[in-house]
Amino acid sequence: DQQVKQNSPSLSVQEGRISILNCDYTNSMFDYFLWYKKYPAEGPTFLISISSIKDKNEDGRFTVFLNKSAKHLSLHIVPSQPGDSAVYFCAASARWGGTSYGKLTFGQGTILTVHP
Amino acid sequence: NAGVTQTPKFQVLKTGQSMTLQCAQDMNHNSMYWYRQDPGMGLRLIYYSASEGTTDKGEVPNGYNVSRLNKREFSLRLESAAPSQTSVYFCASSWGTEQFFGPGTRLTVL
Repeated sequence: DQQVKQNSPSLSVQEGRISILNCDYTNSMFDYFLWYKKYPAEGPTFLISISSIKDKNEDGRFTVFLNKSAKHLSLHIVPSQPGDSAVYFCAASARWGGTSYGKLTFGQGTILTVHP
Repeated sequence: NAGVTQTPKFQVLKTGQSMTLQCAQDMNHNSMYWYRQDPGMGLRLIYYSASEGTTDKGEVPNGYNVSRLNKREFSLRLESAAPSQTSVYFCASSWGTEQFFGPGTRLTVL
């Protein structure tokens, strides 16, 4: 039972254009969402996050949108750069017990390729 | 400040052999995690440790054991390796929800 799904295995965009990566989830208990970026032979690195009390969070070229009713989030990268080429994972967390314990459920990942 | 370190970086085992993957963090985080990454599967949680002295199973714990040696170190042991355990293994640590990952161990079981 895949609770977090990234249905697009890959995405190819031109440098300077917008990249939109999508993620769907099924567990309504998830209340915190994160995007991680992973280069080959390295560990994932945190990119941006959003709490369920918000519908948008922006950090420079990266914006994450959350649509709770559709159980859908997306990551927008504008403008895209060749250095953004990597695997992007979305992840979700359901906090419980009064602590932000931080156990994450990951999607399968989307390979983004940005062409010069 | 090294962050999360993992040893070894690469390992080849024969079926039935045992080994321990080491992980250490220097960020004073309470929580530590072990994941495996397989093609098309994302990262799947094997075991986690919410704090020193506690460990719990994740999504795919079968065939693995863990030890939270102290606050800094969290090891993953394969007692009898199987080809299905060929994967890339990542250790992570966190204080809150954001997790910080090590560089990974690429394990091949023949």
